[in-house]
Amino acid sequence: SAVISQKPSRDICQRGTSLTIQCQVDSQVTMMFWYRQQPGQSLTLIATANQGSEATYESGFVIDKFPISRPNLTFSTLTVSNMSPEDSSIYLCSVEVSGLWWDYGYTFGSGTRLTVV
Amino acid sequence: AQTVTQSQPEMSVQEAETVTLSCTYDTSENNYYLFWYKQPPSRQMILVIRQEAYKQQNATENRFSVNFQKAAKSFSLKISDSQLGDTAMYFCAFVALNYGGSQGNLIFGKGTKLSVKP
Repeated sequence: SAVISQKPSRDICQRGTSLTIQCQVDSQVTMMFWYRQQPGQSLTLIATANQGSEATYESGFVIDKFPISRPNLTFSTLTVSNMSPEDSSIYLCSVEVSGLWWDYGYTFGSGTRLTVV
Repeated sequence: AQTVTQSQPEMSVQEAETVTLSCTYDTSENNYYLFWYKQPPSRQMILVIRQEAYKQQNATENRFSVNFQKAAKSFSLKISDSQLGDTAMYFCAFVALNYGGSQGNLIFGKGTKLSVKP
């Protein structure tokens, strides 16, 4: 199954600044997913990133606030722009692991814990 | 639209005992996967167990097993011989499959916080 390296693991940022989170996958994948997990909550999908096309954003998330890049089939970045304390969350990337039915699933990065002060 | 419901926000169990976490889902699809993921304080999402909808046999992985009731749209997780390391958030998740593969992202329940007490 795929292995994802996600950076940074945590950061404390000043309000009004931006942070870029990177995810590197050890194999080529079609879709990458970006999630936000607010404290004590479940995972909420921010957007789906396909290589060579604009990311698809979920309701409540906009490209100006969460721009995403997907330059190739193994890498993606999510930027959290003009941050406010409400953006303090864990951000995770994920990819689908396709193949044989007993190996099917989704792999996640280790998460980025963002605190905005 | 598909939904996943976990009705137990928190549960606790004594070490070495058995606990069952509940999950129900709603879908009109016939071919899909269900998963249980574990998220310890390290925040890493760890796959615990998967179940394909067309497989009638309940999945098992060591101390973890599921009770998959397709007609009732129920997918509970049983943890036997609970260990302190099982303390974590547990998320039930769903994805529908089309002929070409998945239909995209996982849909998660709200999670159950499990505490294993010594």
